[in-house]
Amino acid sequence: KQEVTQIPAALSVPEGENLVLNCSFTDSAIYNLQWFRQDPGKGLTSLLLIQSSQREQTSGRLNASLDKSSGRSTLYIAASQPGDSATYLCAVPSGSRLTFGEGTQLTVNP
Amino acid sequence: DVKVTQSSRYLVKRTGEKVFLECVQDMDHENMFWYRQDPGLGLRLIYFSYDVKMKEKGDIPEGYSVSREKKERFSLILESASTNQTSMYLCASSSGWGTQYFGPGTRLLVL
Repeated sequence: KQEVTQIPAALSVPEGENLVLNCSFTDSAIYNLQWFRQDPGKGLTSLLLIQSSQREQTSGRLNASLDKSSGRSTLYIAASQPGDSATYLCAVPSGSRLTFGEGTQLTVNP
Repeated sequence: DVKVTQSSRYLVKRTGEKVFLECVQDMDHENMFWYRQDPGLGLRLIYFSYDVKMKEKGDIPEGYSVSREKKERFSLILESASTNQTSMYLCASSSGWGTQYFGPGTRLLVL
């Protein structure tokens, strides 16, 4: 059974810092990996989807990497802003289903 | 833009009531999902559907049922609501193995 772990559970940084969020998964036979953002009391917003054939995917200040062989993905956020404060979740598929990590709660302090 | 809407943002029900949560998507996605999200437990899949009238149990289907009579609409039914079903309910849709798009969520309180 696929298990997804995210470390750290919470992170607090000053505005402007570059930061890395980590995601690990136990079954490396995945065809993609997704990163989501969730604001308090809201639904999830898809940030990036990396196909298994890709090593990196970029969107603005966000860069996600995928290393299938080691069962790891990272989400790099450059020049963090207070508006980046949210919970970030990674998810890997099993068929059409997704298994989610519990998320990293990020606070960016002005 | 993909839009997934849920019938209510907040809902308060009494124990034993039958509760309907509705989800509608406008992108002709074949896959639709219902999750619940609880502190410390993360997102857990209740049911999903990969076609009209088709459904599959997720990780925690007990106490729930679903209905998908039309492609764009996926309903979650709590046959007899209980206090342990107080939670945030999230609906999502996707096409094939692509990105899942989520609705805004329904926060359900069962008294």
